[in-house]
Amino acid sequence: GENVEQHPSTLSVQEGDSAVIKCTYSDSASNYFPWYKQELGKGPQLIIDIRSNVGEKKDQRIAVTLNKTAKHFSLHITETQPEDSAVYFCAASQTGFQKLVFGTGTRLLVSP
Amino acid sequence: DAGVIQSPRHEVTEMGQEVTLRCKPISGHNSLFWYRQTMMRGLELLIYFNNNVPIDDSGMPEDRFSAKMPNASFSTLKIQPSEPRDSAVYFCASSLAGAWPYEQYFGPGTRLTVT
Repeated sequence: GENVEQHPSTLSVQEGDSAVIKCTYSDSASNYFPWYKQELGKGPQLIIDIRSNVGEKKDQRIAVTLNKTAKHFSLHITETQPEDSAVYFCAASQTGFQKLVFGTGTRLLVSP
Repeated sequence: DAGVIQSPRHEVTEMGQEVTLRCKPISGHNSLFWYRQTMMRGLELLIYFNNNVPIDDSGMPEDRFSAKMPNASFSTLKIQPSEPRDSAVYFCASSLAGAWPYEQYFGPGTRLTVT
């Protein structure tokens, strides 16, 4: 089955810096890669996703890149703000599948 | 719009007791997922339902765990008897299995502590 690894487990940055979180997946059939943000005391919430037919997707300060050959994808947050502090999860899935396989999460701390 | 509703938000119980967690999915959604989150194992899928029918329960850790979905607007996850290692945050999520990909919407979770 699919296995998703996520690094780093924790990431501390200064406000205004960029943050990058990386994930690798094992199943070459996976073609959908969402990212979820979990704030303290809340459930995860989808913030951006990418399908394997594109290499990059942007939404304001966040972007996701995908390298199908290497089977890895990354979340990029630019101009970080304290409200970006949260746990971020990557996940992988396949066309028509409802199951998501999640990475282990990255705790991002943005210091003012 | 109301999101996924879970109750209780916190549950403290003693080892050996029965615990029932409840979930109300978003109205109109036809898929429901139960997850468990721990520091050691991250976010694990326990079971999911399509149109009230269990599709995949391979993540259910053992027979002490059971889940039901008697109708489209309600699901329960029961642990009997509970053990300290069951302490975790349990999330329910729902999605609309129409056009893929199917975005999952998570509830706020139930924090379970078994002493």
